[in-house]
Amino acid sequence: QVQLQESGPGLVKPSQTLSLTCTVSGGSISSGSYYWSWIRQPAGKGLEWIGRIYTSGSTNYNPSLKSRVTISVDTSKNQFSLKLSSVTAADTAVYYCARGFWSGSVYFDYWGQGTLVTVSS
Amino acid sequence: EIVLTQSPATLSLSPGERATLSCRASQSVSSYLAWYQQKPGQAPRLLIYDASNRATGIPARFSGSGSGTDFTLTISSLEPEDFAVYYCQQRSNWSYTFGQGTKLEIK
Repeated sequence: QVQLQESGPGLVKPSQTLSLTCTVSGGSISSGSYYWSWIRQPAGKGLEWIGRIYTSGSTNYNPSLKSRVTISVDTSKNQFSLKLSSVTAADTAVYYCARGFWSGSVYFDYWGQGTLVTVSS
Repeated sequence: EIVLTQSPATLSLSPGERATLSCRASQSVSSYLAWYQQKPGQAPRLLIYDASNRATGIPARFSGSGSGTDFTLTISSLEPEDFAVYYCQQRSNWSYTFGQGTKLEIK
């Protein structure tokens, strides 16, 4: 059974960089054809896809966040990471990591429990 | 960007009743649409993908239909654990968007 777990600071100051890591267990992050993604959800609001990294290492980002987002993978640790720069209060949200599989489109079948990140001074 | 609009925003029903949730895309997404269920304090759970395929372990009372721009999630007979928020999701180029959600509440 694949499991994902987010980790990182719960409080980030405005203009700084938000950094989160997702640790994958129950399977190798470099095997299969999966899209390792970050998705966020502000309190009481809907879901926003941030970006993804494919097993091969290629990335795609939400156009609205592209200039501030970097997603990378560390296969030796079975982890992938998110960096979001120049954060503001609007970036306060629960951040989820998720595994995507391909079936004509990408769908997210395994999710982490989510981690709340608050942007405040 | 393709926009997904879900209706109604809130649906009030009783256990045992049939629930019909709608998701409309601003342009055709073929059959590439998914449905997720989210309960308070939990991550979303994949229910349906490719418009009508149930994900692993999802009960048969959940079904999806539609293609093009109009999609429906049907719950044939509501169980107490089905009251939650439901989201649809689609792909647009290499980006993904979600609908704003439908809250299914107990009447």
